[in-house]
Amino acid sequence: DTAVSQTPKYLVTQMGNDKSIKCEQNLGHDTMYWYKQDSKKFLKIMFSYNNKELIINETVPNRFSPKSPDKAHLNLHINSLELGDSAVYFCASSQDTGRSMNTEAFFGQGTRLTVV
Amino acid sequence: SQKIEQNSEALNIQEGKTATLTCNYTNYSPAYLQWYRQDPGRGPVFLLLIRENEKEKRKERLKVTFDTTLKQSLFHITASQPADSATYLCALSNQAGTALIFGKGTTLSVSS
Repeated sequence: DTAVSQTPKYLVTQMGNDKSIKCEQNLGHDTMYWYKQDSKKFLKIMFSYNNKELIINETVPNRFSPKSPDKAHLNLHINSLELGDSAVYFCASSQDTGRSMNTEAFFGQGTRLTVV
Repeated sequence: SQKIEQNSEALNIQEGKTATLTCNYTNYSPAYLQWYRQDPGRGPVFLLLIRENEKEKRKERLKVTFDTTLKQSLFHITASQPADSATYLCALSNQAGTALIFGKGTTLSVSS
């Protein structure tokens, strides 16, 4: 069983489109995250959710809207896609409370988004 | 703001040698520091966590040190193997304790 699973693995779409990436974790964790890894491989936090509540929004454009229907799922919806949104997006989860980072994070396999 | 630097983007060593990767941080005093491994096309995988009151931690051929005075962590892989070739990421908690902040990583290549 995959601990943190994301779909799709690859996503190619045109500028201006709206797309969603889904994430599910079966680890029973309370906290989930979205990270963006750019072409230079730099992994940057976008959002953090604890028990379905938003904890962090790291100056991400409001075209990006995370949605957590329950604590096992954190989906990422992106409106009006731009070329600069092309990157690999990683979902992650951890046992942390959302107020400290003293346990490991488990990452999904990533979604490679290409905007053309 | 917090800054994490992993000095080398790439490190090439021969099989059997010890690889030493460096992580420096500024503008913060984290209580924990973590190391992850990332293979091409995959998500990062947790390797080790070290607390500020632990000087050193070991797991099989891996060893991590944490010097809070120097604001530095060293990550060692002893008796390195080609299978150890990957990108290694240093991570620490942001100041609010709400997420991990990652360094840019060091790509290790072990040649046989």
